[in-house]
Amino acid sequence: NAGVTQTPKFQVLKTGQSMTLQCAQDMNHEYMSWYRQDPGMGLRLIHYSVGAGITDQGEVPNGYNVSRSTTEDFPLRLLSAAPSQTSVYFCASSYGGTGVYGYTFGSGTRLTVV
Amino acid sequence: QKEVEQDPGPLSVPEGAIVSLNCTYSNSAFQYFMWYRQYSRKGPELLMYTYSSGNKEDGRFTAQVDKSSKYISLFIRDSQPSDSATYLCAMRMTDSSYKLIFGSGTRLLVRP
Repeated sequence: NAGVTQTPKFQVLKTGQSMTLQCAQDMNHEYMSWYRQDPGMGLRLIHYSVGAGITDQGEVPNGYNVSRSTTEDFPLRLLSAAPSQTSVYFCASSYGGTGVYGYTFGSGTRLTVV
Repeated sequence: QKEVEQDPGPLSVPEGAIVSLNCTYSNSAFQYFMWYRQYSRKGPELLMYTYSSGNKEDGRFTAQVDKSSKYISLFIRDSQPSDSATYLCAMRMTDSSYKLIFGSGTRLLVRP
């Protein structure tokens, strides 16, 4: 099992450029989410999905789009990159249902917007 | 005010010490509580989880939840240099969205 795979690991963008951060999981998890991690701010939820075709906004959704056409993939799109989007981005997935299920995180994408 | 507060540290202790890491929260609807460990330049990994109040022990790690005080703790016994990492608390309510709310993390350094 590969777990949660994120690509690319590093990216430098110019202000105004767009790009897609890829996330794929092979655990048949229903729930997937995107977080950004900034110093002193912890992990903040951007968007999440409870299943294919279903997405919703998290705490900091502005400037980002998501879609979930398959169970495995949950890409995050930056529409017009801004320096404020410089951050480390983590994708996470979890088995659905009730009870305590932890997230499995990817290794992150380090994004710099200049 | 953040929903989940966590002292950022860093916390520096000698090898073998007992470490206490803590989080406070404001939303009494949180039911599930977790601790994640994050090594430098890696993604977080689940360390411990508890449901509602009480204690849970796993090897050198003990997680405690006091819902009346809105306070959770992680204790590490016989700390090792390999425990040096950032520890994040996380919690969620009993709803269908499975959203986790994270603390900002405490950086721990265990000195040999």
